[in-house]
Amino acid sequence: DAGVIQSPRHEVTEMGQEVTLRCKPISGHNSLFWYRQTMMRGLELLIYFNNNVPIDDSGMPEDRFSAKMPNASFSTLKIQPSEPRDSAVYFCASNPGGYTEAFFGQGTRLTVV
Amino acid sequence: TQLLEQSPQFLSIQEGENLTVYCNSSSVFSSLQWYRQEPGEGPVLLVTVVTGGEVKKLKRLTFQFGDARKDSSLHITAAQPGDTGLYLCAGADDKIIFGKGTRLHILP
Repeated sequence: DAGVIQSPRHEVTEMGQEVTLRCKPISGHNSLFWYRQTMMRGLELLIYFNNNVPIDDSGMPEDRFSAKMPNASFSTLKIQPSEPRDSAVYFCASNPGGYTEAFFGQGTRLTVV
Repeated sequence: TQLLEQSPQFLSIQEGENLTVYCNSSSVFSSLQWYRQEPGEGPVLLVTVVTGGEVKKLKRLTFQFGDARKDSSLHITAAQPGDTGLYLCAGADDKIIFGKGTRLHILP
C-alpha cells in the first residue's frame, strides 16, 4: 500500500482565497483524522471521521474551516476565506479504528500571504 | 479537555549520553502512544503502551507506563545523532490527541 497520500505538498495562497487540501487514506482504514501543526500549538486535532461520518469537529477553529469525506477513499479540508494565521502544516492520518496506530501522510505546508 | 504535557520542550545533549523525556496526561486513555517525527515528514509510531506499569524496549529506547496509566517516560541509552527528532506522545481512544512534543538534538 502507498500509505496516506496528501496533496498538494506545498500551497502558497493570498489572503482571502479558498484553499482545498486533499487526502487519500489507507485502504481498509475506518477512521480518518485531520491535524494542524505549528511550533506554538503543536499537533492539533481538527476533525475526525469514522466510516465517512464526521464524529468530532470540536477542533475546527472557525466556520471558515470545513471538511468532507464523500467516500472511504477521499477527504478534503477546505479553508474559505484563508488568513495568514492559517499558515501551518496540515496532516491527514488514518487507522483501522479504536486506539490503534495512526498512519500519517507527509503533510501539506500551507502559507497564506 | 484532555491534555498531554511533555517535558522538556527542548533537549540538546552529546552523543553517548543518556536521557529521559516525560509525558503526563490529564486523563486516562485506552492506550498511550509514542511517535517520532523527522523534518518534512509525518509522525511515525514507536510504541504503544496499554497496561499500567508496562515497560517496553525498542533497541536503546525504553518506554515506561505509570501504574495509574496517566504518565509515561521514554529513556534513550547512549544517544546517537540518528535519534535527533521530535518525540510526541499521544492519548488514543476513538480519537488521538497529541502532546506538543520534545524536540531532541544529539550533538556528534
